[in-house]
Amino acid sequence: DQQVKQNSPSLSVQEGRISILNCDYTNSMFDYFLWYKKYPAEGPTFLISISSIKDKNEDGRFTVFLNKSAKHLSLHIVPSQPGDSAVYFCAASRTNSGGSNYKLTFGKGTLLTVNP
Amino acid sequence: KAGVTQTPRYLIKTRGQQVTLSCSPISGHRSVSWYQQTPGQGLQFLFEYFSETQRNKGNFPGRFSGRQFSNSRSEMNVSTLELGDSALYLCASSSTSGTARIYGYTFGSGTRLTVV
Repeated sequence: DQQVKQNSPSLSVQEGRISILNCDYTNSMFDYFLWYKKYPAEGPTFLISISSIKDKNEDGRFTVFLNKSAKHLSLHIVPSQPGDSAVYFCAASRTNSGGSNYKLTFGKGTLLTVNP
Repeated sequence: KAGVTQTPRYLIKTRGQQVTLSCSPISGHRSVSWYQQTPGQGLQFLFEYFSETQRNKGNFPGRFSGRQFSNSRSEMNVSTLELGDSALYLCASSSTSGTARIYGYTFGSGTRLTVV
C-alpha cells in the first residue's frame, strides 16, 4: 500500500523555466511533508518542509504548496537551473499516539532534468 | 561539523552470508534511522533508534536488525542474505525525530550492498 505517490518518474524542463513536481498521499494522518533532493552516489538532501496547517512554504527558489482536501502537494522551482537536475523525493510523516514523530514515508521519486 | 558517516561505501556479499553496516551520526544527534533504497521501491523505512532504543520498525523480515550504542553510532545487520537485499542502505540522523519533521533528517551517502 503506497501511501505517498509520485506519479511522474521523470520531468524535463528548460533552464530558467518553472519546474513543478507533484506528490499525492492517501493517509490523512500525515501532518508534515518534506521534499528531498538526491544526486547519484549521494544521500538525499533536505530541501523544504511544510506543516499540514499551512498551504504554502517558500525558501528562495523553492516553494511547496499543500492542498489538504485533494491530499496533494507540489514543489515549484523557479527559475530552474541545470544544477537542480536530480531525483526529488516527497516524504510525509505523522505524529504517533505517544506524541513523538513517526517514520518518514517516501514516494518513489521523480527524476528532474533541467536542460541548458 | 562532520556529516553522517556510513561504512563501508560498497560491499559485495554472497547469498546466504550476513553483513553489518555502520553509521556514525552527526555529533550530538541521538536519533538514527535506516532506509533501504531500491529502484523499484524507492526509499523504505527499516527502523529508528533513539538513545539506544528502537522506537519504530518498518515492514522488513526479522533478518534485518539493528542496534545503537551509547555514543549514538548505529549498526544494522542483515543475516542470510538474499539477492533481493541488493540495495543502497541509507542512514539518517537528527537531534530528535521531532526536529527532523521540520528540518529534515541528514542522510549519509549510503552503503551500496550487492548480493551475488
